[in-house]
Amino acid sequence: SSELTQDPAVSVALGQTVRITCQGDSLRSYYASWYQQKPGQAPVLVIYGKNNRPSGIPDRFSGSSSGNTASLTITGAQAEDEADYYCNSRDSSGNHHVVFGGGTKLTVL
Amino acid sequence: QVQLVQSGAEVKKPGSSVKVSCKASGGTFSSYAISWVRQAPGQGLEWMGGIIPIFGTANYAQKFQGRVTITADESTSTAYMELSSLRSEDTAVYYCARTVYGPGGGVAFDIWGQGTMVTVSS
Repeated sequence: SSELTQDPAVSVALGQTVRITCQGDSLRSYYASWYQQKPGQAPVLVIYGKNNRPSGIPDRFSGSSSGNTASLTITGAQAEDEADYYCNSRDSSGNHHVVFGGGTKLTVL
Repeated sequence: QVQLVQSGAEVKKPGSSVKVSCKASGGTFSSYAISWVRQAPGQGLEWMGGIIPIFGTANYAQKFQGRVTITADESTSTAYMELSSLRSEDTAVYYCARTVYGPGGGVAFDIWGQGTMVTVSS
């Protein structure tokens, strides 16, 4: 199996740009997807594939990838972006399993 | 738009089993995979396994092999997750999620159920 590593917590000033990263061997082979989760709610997909946003996700959310690291960037963070963010990807072992990162708590100051 | 509606909260004794359902409405059920993800209180997301209803074959995370069974009933557009030999550490919110595979083999869970709280307590 493989693991995905995220920083436990990140903070950003209101209106500034923040990058949340996700590291793992599987990211050399597969794109990461990113999820936003607010307290008491189910996760919401915000980025998938190379850099795709589902309908309804603001364009301040973007994704990128380099080597074994995937990144979620929020350009002009808003108060409502304060949440937990999780990455996931296919497992690189070829068994069609899925792995999640441990999550990053984003605080908007 | 497809919605996934899960069954209600459960309280179970250690050693027993729980079966959670996930009913799809408003779209095609069989051609997408359904995954199950759990989240213990204050913890992160954990993939348990998944199934493609049209094929009927499930795939399980190694951690849950032998304890979890994921099935799907195409006639009712419902997926099920049964977890046996419950222990206190299984107390968590259990989610189902529609699973899509994109170009390059990426995976995304684009639609989620509302979650089902399972409490394991004596």
